[in-house]
Amino acid sequence: QVQLVQSGAEVKKPGSSVKVSCKASGGTFSTYAIAWVRQAPGQGLEWMGGIIPLFTTTKYAQKFQGRVTITADESTSTAYMELNSLRSEDTAVYYCARGETGYCSGGSCFSDVFDYWGQGTLVTVSS
Amino acid sequence: EIVMTQSPATLSVSPGERATLSCRASQSISSNLAWYQQKPGQPPRLLIYRASIRATGVPARFSGSGSGTEFTLTISSLESEDFAVYYCQQYKNWPPPFGQGTKVEIK
Repeated sequence: QVQLVQSGAEVKKPGSSVKVSCKASGGTFSTYAIAWVRQAPGQGLEWMGGIIPLFTTTKYAQKFQGRVTITADESTSTAYMELNSLRSEDTAVYYCARGETGYCSGGSCFSDVFDYWGQGTLVTVSS
Repeated sequence: EIVMTQSPATLSVSPGERATLSCRASQSISSNLAWYQQKPGQPPRLLIYRASIRATGVPARFSGSGSGTEFTLTISSLESEDFAVYYCQQYKNWPPPFGQGTKVEIK
């Protein structure tokens, strides 16, 4: 049984950083594609980026390029998403999700559908 | 980058009626299309992948169709637990964009 368990809610000041973790159990972590998706209050789902540990490759949405860093620790089956220079518009629920497999080729990455999701982590940015 | 567009934004349906949701891709995505259901305070739940395959445990009243750029999610007879927001997503090629969502509400 695959489970993704995320770290708890955070309250941050504008200009600071937040790091959210996502610990996976079940399955083979290194072959996963782990995506980070956020949802602002009352808004839709927004893909921020993802990582495929087997290929040690990360991809980021253009909107977040330079401000987000996604990493993975295969020894603990944990993925991390760090977002810098926080502003009030970053207040959102942040989800991790996994594709059972992923691969990269020729500079592009591909994955299976995101079939398991973490419970979500609320990040509130407020002065 | 591929853009996913869903319609309508809101669908008002009575319990027991049929609901049809649409999703369009800005370029062909073959059958690499997923549908998710999201209820308030919960993460998205995978309903359909490869455009038409129901995920484990998804009731048969949910069906997906389409390929290329035009896709449809049909709920044959709405039950109370089906009132939620539904998102489509092209998932294979990164970045994997989501549509903006269709809210299915009680009429």
